[in-house]
Amino acid sequence: EPEVTQTPSHQVTQMGQEVILRCVPISNHLYFYWYRQILGQKVEFLVSFYNNEISEKSEIFDDQFSVERPDGSNFTLKIRSTKLEDSAMYFCASSDGQVDIQYFGAGTRLSVL
Amino acid sequence: KQEVTQIPAALSVPEGENLVLNCSFTDSAIYNLQWFRQDPGKGLTSLLLIQSSQREQTSGRLNASLDKSSGRSTLYIAASQPGDSATYLCAVHTPTYKYIFGTGTRLKVLA
Repeated sequence: EPEVTQTPSHQVTQMGQEVILRCVPISNHLYFYWYRQILGQKVEFLVSFYNNEISEKSEIFDDQFSVERPDGSNFTLKIRSTKLEDSAMYFCASSDGQVDIQYFGAGTRLSVL
Repeated sequence: KQEVTQIPAALSVPEGENLVLNCSFTDSAIYNLQWFRQDPGKGLTSLLLIQSSQREQTSGRLNASLDKSSGRSTLYIAASQPGDSATYLCAVHTPTYKYIFGTGTRLKVLA
């Protein structure tokens, strides 16, 4: 069964460093998403991406964040200068359409020290 | 502001019991509502998606209903099994607030 894969599973970084989280969505999906979940808190939407541009984003997704689809398979989330409060589990998801079921990856745990 | 609330926060039931999980939302202007399960340390698995024009969706032992006017959805699980133990999340997709998740119901089904 097709699945969304995320790498790495755990990323440790120093405050102020840039990190790139990587995702390979399901191959025929057109919509891509990033979410985060701070330990013990709700899942929060960050951004959705369609046709090589951002289609929706939340207030959390500020200038420190960016997304890219550098090739036909990868979808990345970049955090330019990490803060302690960026420590969270980051989930990537993909779907066929904007109002269709989203399939999630297993997540990348980001620890900012 | 869209708020999504799930009750109960935690639930422990014996195997075989039928159970209902509740989700309420404050703004009825939604595109759809989705129910997920989340296993510890893992991603989310979509269980059911109800479009705003629909009243319910069924998949196997799961049935989800949506009453948009009252801002409520329920997830009914029939004949619960220990493998159903997980955290269940509901999420609404809205034009204004995008995707808003509830805090979840942590379910434990005892063998």
